[in-house]
Amino acid sequence: DAMVIQNPRYQVTQFGKPVTLSCSQTLNHNVMYWYQQKSSQAPKLLFHYYDKDFNNEADTPDNFQSRRPNTSFCFLDIRSPGLGDAAMYLCATSRASRATEAFFGQGTRLTVV
Amino acid sequence: QKEVEQNSGPLSVPEGAIASLNCTYSDRGSQSFFWYRQYSGKSPELIMFIYSNGDKEDGRFTAQLNKASQYVSLLIRDSQPSDSATYLCAVFTGTASKLTFGTGTRLQVTL
Repeated sequence: DAMVIQNPRYQVTQFGKPVTLSCSQTLNHNVMYWYQQKSSQAPKLLFHYYDKDFNNEADTPDNFQSRRPNTSFCFLDIRSPGLGDAAMYLCATSRASRATEAFFGQGTRLTVV
Repeated sequence: QKEVEQNSGPLSVPEGAIASLNCTYSDRGSQSFFWYRQYSGKSPELIMFIYSNGDKEDGRFTAQLNKASQYVSLLIRDSQPSDSATYLCAVFTGTASKLTFGTGTRLQVTL
């Protein structure tokens, strides 16, 4: 059974048109992460939630926002997507203890046209 | 200085050889260290984690951690063509509760 589910798997959006990516988990993990991964690059942390506490990386553009309405769901909002925002977006979850792996969803491939 | 650093490669090893992948990190407060494997177009999948100094073995994989040197490595014995992938080192910092990835090392196992 899938434990971290991202929807949609593929998203095509128009330049400047707001888009929302979703992530849900059945693991009851208290930490959720959003990563952006461009071709041949490592995943780049955009932000993460520790329970309801939101932690934004210093270099995450203001164009990216996130919401976590409850433990199970987390959303990534891109307010005005640019061509440079085309990437794979990965959601991951973990327990907030030292010896715990992060479980990844399958990712959403975002294309901006 | 990047938080987690790896050589980007590609690292090329012949089938059956030992592949050695290295990673350094900057935050001395880091608590846990992970090695993920990522095939092209797929999500990262966990290979091993380690949080105590020394070696940890799991099948053909051995993770090594040296906190004094802020260094973690992954050895892959008897490398197989199916091991060809990008290997990502990730560091969990408990104070910030965040998982940060290195740039990844691309491994090619040749026949």
